[in-house]
Amino acid sequence: TQLLEQSPQFLSIQEGENLTVYCNSSSVFSSLQWYRQEPGEGPVLLVTVVTGGEVKKLKRLTFQFGDARKDSSLHITAAQPGDTGLYLCGSSNTGKLIFGQGTTLQVKP
Amino acid sequence: DSGVTQTPKHLITATGQRVTLRCSPRSGDLSVYWYQQSLDQGLQFLIQYYNGEERAKGNILERFSAQQFPDLHSELNLSSLELGDSALYFCASSPHTNHKSTDTQYFGPGTRLTVL
Repeated sequence: TQLLEQSPQFLSIQEGENLTVYCNSSSVFSSLQWYRQEPGEGPVLLVTVVTGGEVKKLKRLTFQFGDARKDSSLHITAAQPGDTGLYLCGSSNTGKLIFGQGTTLQVKP
Repeated sequence: DSGVTQTPKHLITATGQRVTLRCSPRSGDLSVYWYQQSLDQGLQFLIQYYNGEERAKGNILERFSAQQFPDLHSELNLSSLELGDSALYFCASSPHTNHKSTDTQYFGPGTRLTVL
């Protein structure tokens, strides 16, 4: 069974700072998805990465897929309070979406 | 708004009881997935249905069961409830069976279950 490890678990930063969240696995990902979850709501898909070495940008968010497809990172530039939430990486394997434990991000104004 | 609806939003019950959680997928989506989210276990996949048939199974207890009806809505039945079953239960839907691992799953707002 593929396990996804996310780090750090918790991150509290000031508005304007940069941060990186990591997602690692001992197995190769077929693809990897990043979600953001706000309190009281379900996870919302941010991006899907498929190709090793792929980089995708979503405004201030940059997602990178490792060359070997065993790791991924999410980098946020100039974080804002609206970025506060739980960030989850997930990988799908024959219909089962497996999630990491998540990174709780708090951006203080 | 993802287009996936779940009812009820909150549910408080006692140990040993049975509850039913309901999910309506996005219009046109054939697959429904159920997940459990707790503080210690994170977000865990329970079960998937596609067009009325069970398609994939995850860490679902024998006390739990689900079904998908002809109108594609789904219900998750939790019985002989224990304190540890307290969690958020999410339903998600996608257009296909997710054989393509890039299929997007759209999550509902969840049902918060509290077992006292």
